[in-house]
Amino acid sequence: AQSVAQPEDQVNVAEGNPLTVKCTYSVSGNPYLFWYVQYPNRGLQFLLKYITGDNLVKGSYGFEAEFNKSQTSFHLKKPSALVSDSALYFCAVRDSPGNTPLVFGKGTRLSVIA
Amino acid sequence: EAGVTQFPSHSVIEKGQTVTLRCDPISGHDNLYWYRRVMGKEIKFLLHFVKESKQDESGMPNNRFLAERTGGTYSTLKVQPAELEDSGVYFCASSQGRDRGYETEAFFGQGTRLTVV
Repeated sequence: AQSVAQPEDQVNVAEGNPLTVKCTYSVSGNPYLFWYVQYPNRGLQFLLKYITGDNLVKGSYGFEAEFNKSQTSFHLKKPSALVSDSALYFCAVRDSPGNTPLVFGKGTRLSVIA
Repeated sequence: EAGVTQFPSHSVIEKGQTVTLRCDPISGHDNLYWYRRVMGKEIKFLLHFVKESKQDESGMPNNRFLAERTGGTYSTLKVQPAELEDSGVYFCASSQGRDRGYETEAFFGQGTRLTVV
């Protein structure tokens, strides 16, 4: 069975500092990994995905994520945090290509402090 | 292009009542999904439609939940009768078919917050 762990409920970072939101996963086959963000009163927005190829994936709003197969991790990163990055971040995985449903983590709330 | 729209955005109902949630996917998207997030927990899969057919309904909690997608366009999710544990945020998502041969991401609506009291 697939699963995703986001070990931190809350991450606090000062504006301008680098941020990392952690995600580890478990799948039986090759992982297809995604990050979504939910801003207040908004739906989930797609940030980036890893399907194959380069381990460093670049996405929207300056975010990037690094796929690490040996550590089964897909941490979300940004070199310099903005107050507007404050939101709820979800990591998700599926173990097959196409349109099978995603398995999500429980989310990490990011607070960027000015 | 309009995104995935859901309504109502909020619904407060009493235990035992019926509620119907609606989702309008992005036009042309064959795949439609329902997910639910109970407060502070994971977003959990409920159901997947491909056009008007139920591809996977393994996540539906019990037979009080009924989802339909008539004509392969919008979808409804009915809860009858509602129980306290049904409270949460219900998300709908849609994605294109895979006939183009590449991985497509799902686009989500803003969700319906259901509170059963």
